[in-house]
Amino acid sequence: AQSVAQPEDQVNVAEGNPLTVKCTYSVSGNPYLFWYVQYPNRGLQFLLKYITGDNLVKGSYGFEAEFNKSQTSFHLKKPSALVSDSALYFCAVRDRRAAGGGNKLTFGTGTQLKVEL
Amino acid sequence: DVKVTQSSRYLVKRTGEKVFLECVQDMDHENMFWYRQDPGLGLRLIYFSYDVKMKEKGDIPEGYSVSREKKERFSLILESASTNQTSMYLCASRRVGSGESPLHFGNGTRLTVT
Repeated sequence: AQSVAQPEDQVNVAEGNPLTVKCTYSVSGNPYLFWYVQYPNRGLQFLLKYITGDNLVKGSYGFEAEFNKSQTSFHLKKPSALVSDSALYFCAVRDRRAAGGGNKLTFGTGTQLKVEL
Repeated sequence: DVKVTQSSRYLVKRTGEKVFLECVQDMDHENMFWYRQDPGLGLRLIYFSYDVKMKEKGDIPEGYSVSREKKERFSLILESASTNQTSMYLCASRRVGSGESPLHFGNGTRLTVT
């Protein structure tokens, strides 16, 4: 079985400060990891993914995430937050060894990011 | 740019009604998915489809069925709507190929069952 935990329901950050949104995962094998963002009344948009290789992954809108295998974490980061980054962020995982094809992602419960002036 | 279109943004139905949620994608993606999103529960997979006429149950299929007669269209059917099916429903599609391509989501259908 695969699972994702996002321990914080909400993260508050001042504009210009660095932000971190936490994610830990559990899979039997090695993971594919994703971050998605959801703006109000919209579907989810893909931000970035970790497949293999460099543990630091760069994505859209200046976001990056660091894969840490020993801590089974994939925290989302940005050096300088913007008010426009305020949104709901979802971490997702898929076990590479998962059989059956398709792309059966398991999502976390989401973290609301609020960036204030 | 990939476009995933869900036919309704808001829908209000009565208990016991049969409800159809439609989703169309324009990029010839093989995989399509239906999720429901509830506060505090994140996204939960209802059904997915590998390709035309192929479907597989997700984590919470009870009370739902799906249809995929054409590659671009994936329909979610609530056979007899109940109040506990009030939720945001999200459709997504994905191309199968080399690498692990991401899901592309529609804007969602907010369904209220009264």
